[in-house]
Amino acid sequence: EAQVTQNPRYLITVTGKKLTVTCSQNMNHEYMSWYRQDPGLGLRQIYYSMNVEVTDKGDVPEGYKVSRKEKRNFPLILESPSPNQTSLYFCASRSGILTQPQHFGDGTRLSIL
Amino acid sequence: GNSVTQMEGPVTLSEEAFLTINCTYTATGYPSLFWYVQYPGEGLQLLLKATKADDKGSNKGFEATYRKETTSFHLEKGSVQVSDSAVYFCALSDKAQGGSEKLVFGKGTKLTVNP
Repeated sequence: EAQVTQNPRYLITVTGKKLTVTCSQNMNHEYMSWYRQDPGLGLRQIYYSMNVEVTDKGDVPEGYKVSRKEKRNFPLILESPSPNQTSLYFCASRSGILTQPQHFGDGTRLSIL
Repeated sequence: GNSVTQMEGPVTLSEEAFLTINCTYTATGYPSLFWYVQYPGEGLQLLLKATKADDKGSNKGFEATYRKETTSFHLEKGSVQVSDSAVYFCALSDKAQGGSEKLVFGKGTKLTVNP
């Protein structure tokens, strides 16, 4: 089954404790992206990657890092999480064709205390 | 830059009512347009798409037509069901200046359908 898998689904942690949210897709997609969803703000793009070793900033990259060492994986790293990063995070992927839709994971709810 | 504006909710309808959720966009190029749906506790799923002017996307009784002259992509359904209760997002995909490829979302419209 074609899918985007995120882990963990839920995480409560404390300010400053480094964390990584993993994202993996099994569709051999070139393009992957991270979004955060906040009430009243919709989805905003954090980082994206157009292929292995190619990453770029989205609209709200501050406080986040990503890497794309393999095509299937695109982890999101919070080196020193802060409470304003409490949010619902989605990973997505699509083929290299711009007109194709993105496939989304089920989301990761992060609470930073 | 590119942007999407969709009607604010929440929208509450009775079963079998007609649904319209308005969506307009601003884009510098020739975007592809999408409607995504988010059911409670789940990720976003593609509902329908259109990639060029006058295309009509349709799925599960929902329809939307890509109107370049009015820069709109309104979502419609003739008879909603309780199971259609969800948050609906309009989005566009385009190349931004500098070559980056982005999916830009509206803020979402929450639909509740009552029996």
